[in-house]
Amino acid sequence: NAGVTQTPKFQVLKTGQSMTLQCAQDMNHNSMYWYRQDPGMGLRLIYYSASEGTTDKGEVPNGYNVSRLNKREFSLRLESAAPSQTSVYFCATPLVAGAYGYTFGSGTRLTVV
Amino acid sequence: QKEVEQDPGPLSVPEGAIVSLNCTYSNSAFQYFMWYRQYSRKGPELLMYTYSSGNKEDGRFTAQVDKSSKYISLFIRDSQPSDSATYLCAMSFYSGGYQKVTFGTGTKLQVIP
Repeated sequence: NAGVTQTPKFQVLKTGQSMTLQCAQDMNHNSMYWYRQDPGMGLRLIYYSASEGTTDKGEVPNGYNVSRLNKREFSLRLESAAPSQTSVYFCATPLVAGAYGYTFGSGTRLTVV
Repeated sequence: QKEVEQDPGPLSVPEGAIVSLNCTYSNSAFQYFMWYRQYSRKGPELLMYTYSSGNKEDGRFTAQVDKSSKYISLFIRDSQPSDSATYLCAMSFYSGGYQKVTFGTGTKLQVIP
């Protein structure tokens, strides 16, 4: 998806392993978001960053940490992965600065075994 | 009860049919209403958004909002096989410095040639 790049696209982890999901946007927006998408649950907000240097918890933050490295990059870290964190993770930023509606990355499909 | 309810489908229609996708919501605070389209293994992409009650048209797509009934719809005219995707409704309001967005779980649509 134009403007938001996520890496990696796929990952398999063993329970207890750690990993960092990377997100970068080239739209020069202040706010960035991390969501997870699970069948029957919809998209749920994990963490968001309203601007460089600030981060806040969303609806489901437990087990995750984030870093807003600079205006472009917002990473999501799983310190000790659990099977319940098996999901598809999406990073997003506003489609237009200051307005509602997001542009999403193409997602990271994570399986924890 | 979920804040946003959406029939998961799947919905299967012949090419050329009119498709109606719907969501209901319970939170009167929602101000903005959006529809996203998500192709398999891709991130959601914003299709339409609206603020007020009434209809908004964009090509073959019409978004309808009825705030009094807490009900939103997306109509697709002359449906095409390329419309086959999962459609997510989303609603938001401004709270605590950011747009609080709640997504529906999505309706999977298949348009049969």
